[in-house]
Amino acid sequence: EVQLVESGGGLVQPGGSLRLSCAASGFTFSNYEMNWVRQAPGKGLEWLSYINSNGRTTYYADSVKGRFTISRDNAKNSLYLLMNSLRAEDTAVYYCARVGTPHQYMDVWGKGTTVTVSS
Amino acid sequence: DIQMTQSPSTLSASVGDRVTITCRASQSISSWLAWYQQKPGKAPKLLIYKASSLESGVPSRFSGSGSGTEFTLTISSLQPDDFATYYCQQYNAFWTFGQGTKVEIK
Repeated sequence: EVQLVESGGGLVQPGGSLRLSCAASGFTFSNYEMNWVRQAPGKGLEWLSYINSNGRTTYYADSVKGRFTISRDNAKNSLYLLMNSLRAEDTAVYYCARVGTPHQYMDVWGKGTTVTVSS
Repeated sequence: DIQMTQSPSTLSASVGDRVTITCRASQSISSWLAWYQQKPGKAPKLLIYKASSLESGVPSRFSGSGSGTEFTLTISSLQPDDFATYYCQQYNAFWTFGQGTKVEIK
């Protein structure tokens, strides 16, 4: 079964850091590009970051550029999101999503992990 | 940046109704548009990609159309399992979602 499982969410103080992980299974992870998407409470979906299959190309939304870093370890079938300088407005459910081929819709999603930024 | 605007924001309908949701892009995105369904507390689920291609396993009552800047998602006969929030997403240049359309019970 194709599956993505996020972990690493929790409560963090403003200005703090957190690293999210996404474990992939059921498919050849190293062949796929990946995204992080978030959803603030009661709000819509926001794309955050992209990484290509070998990890050498990354993109970020303006809202997180310079604060968040996406990375992957293909040997461990894992995707990561390092979040620094967290703000209250970063409070959200964070999803990892597989980028489809050949077109770049998001065809597989994890269940999400919740990040709460509060003092 | 490409902006996506959905209408309506909320739609009240009954089981069996034909439902149409519209999505407009701020510039042409060709057919690089996907539709997702999301239920409360769950992850989004891909329904349609490339504007009109049905994802495997998705019921045929869902269909998509459009190109350029105007797109529609149609549910031909609304079923109880279809009450959810629907999002369009462009993937022509990075990724942008519409604000969502909540389909609720009338």
